Amino acid sequence: GQSLEQPSEVTAVEGAIVQINCTYQTSGFYGLSWYQQHDGGAPTFLSYNALDGLEETGRFSSFLSRSDSYGYLLLQELQMKDSASYFCAVIGQGGKLIFGQGTELSVKP
Amino acid sequence: DGGITQSPKYLFRKEGQNVTLSCEQNLNHDAMYWYRQDPGQGLRLIYYSQIVNDFQKGDIAEGYSVSREKKESFPLTVTSAQKNPTAFYLCGTSGSYNEQFFGPGTRLTVL
Repeated sequence: GQSLEQPSEVTAVEGAIVQINCTYQTSGFYGLSWYQQHDGGAPTFLSYNALDGLEETGRFSSFLSRSDSYGYLLLQELQMKDSASYFCAVIGQGGKLIFGQGTELSVKP
Repeated sequence: DGGITQSPKYLFRKEGQNVTLSCEQNLNHDAMYWYRQDPGQGLRLIYYSQIVNDFQKGDIAEGYSVSREKKESFPLTVTSAQKNPTAFYLCGTSGSYNEQFFGPGTRLTVL
């Protein structure tokens, strides 16, 4: 079967650093992506890892270890606007995305 | 403007009725996808199409049907066979494996 595990919720304060972990079990793996979704909105793409290691895009970084079937999203210098749900998604054959259940991030002042 | 449009934004349906959700894109992407999202949950794949006149079932295709007669359009029909259709429906497109773009979504409520 295919499954992804991520924490259901995380709380942090403005300016802090938070890490959202994702472990996966899938057949056919072409990469791990991260998406952000604000309440009532559509998901927006944040990052993608196909190979092991760290990818950095501004305040956001994403890491992948294929041998451990594990990845994480790192958010630095947290801002109130970062409060949202964050989804990891495995890219399968044909570009299919298999999503985790999402982590709700609450940023407090 | 380049992007994905979905209509309508809100849709109400009586039990036993079929309803069609529209998805149009002008990104010139080959691949298009339909997802369903329930409250507090991730997205689940209903159907996807990698090329015109071809589509495949996703993980929860029962009670849904699609067509892909044009590259720009990928309508989803929610049939009366779908037992619990109330959900947020998202259409996505992809030009490469590493990134998908999503439309604004349609909220379907069965009365």
